[in-house]
Amino acid sequence: DAKTTQPNSMESNEEEPVHLPCNHSTISGTDYIHWYRQLPSQGPEYVIHGLTSNVNNRMASLAIAEDRKSSTLILHRATLRDAAVYYCILRENTGTASKLTFGTGTRLQVTL
Amino acid sequence: DTAVSQTPKYLVTQMGNDKSIKCEQNLGHDTMYWYKQDSKKFLKIMFSYNNKELIINETVPNRFSPKSPDKAHLNLHINSLELGDSAVYFCASSRVGPVAGANVLTFGAGSRLTVL
Repeated sequence: DAKTTQPNSMESNEEEPVHLPCNHSTISGTDYIHWYRQLPSQGPEYVIHGLTSNVNNRMASLAIAEDRKSSTLILHRATLRDAAVYYCILRENTGTASKLTFGTGTRLQVTL
Repeated sequence: DTAVSQTPKYLVTQMGNDKSIKCEQNLGHDTMYWYKQDSKKFLKIMFSYNNKELIINETVPNRFSPKSPDKAHLNLHINSLELGDSAVYFCASSRVGPVAGANVLTFGAGSRLTVL
């Protein structure tokens, strides 16, 4: 899987929007962009994924740059429960198994 | 109902022992995985099975032997445990959909193995 680059950590105030950036300049034309998060002492949890168009679901929004070399995960109103490590991962569009390569992710701290 | 359940949640054992971790998913998924998260928090894939067939086998010591009795279960047996095996082991599963890139993983809560 192609490599992604994320900031090590970010901070946000509760109830404010959070924009988590991810660079993936070597993305191939068929790679999907996936985001997972890992809350303290829990397993990773799927957040959202996309290919080219921006995506929204109940957890977050995903904004994908036109050249697909970067993307941004948007949490519209951060809560204390959103404090986690967020991973941006590229998933090849082949194979029956999702061999996801987790990087170091961005540790999001949310404060009152 | 827990979608992906692992047992035990915690496991403390001595070096040289043999231990197993069990995983079950009730999501009807075709593919199951074992991931390892070490003390530095890096998550790495170890194995993946699709319908009981091994399809991913990363560079893992052969002391680690996965077994999938059916597509809902994937167990991990570890022989001759070493200090470096201490980690959190996560089981996961995914559905094989028509678009491979869109398949997402559901993870279990993890099994923390401590080797003394």
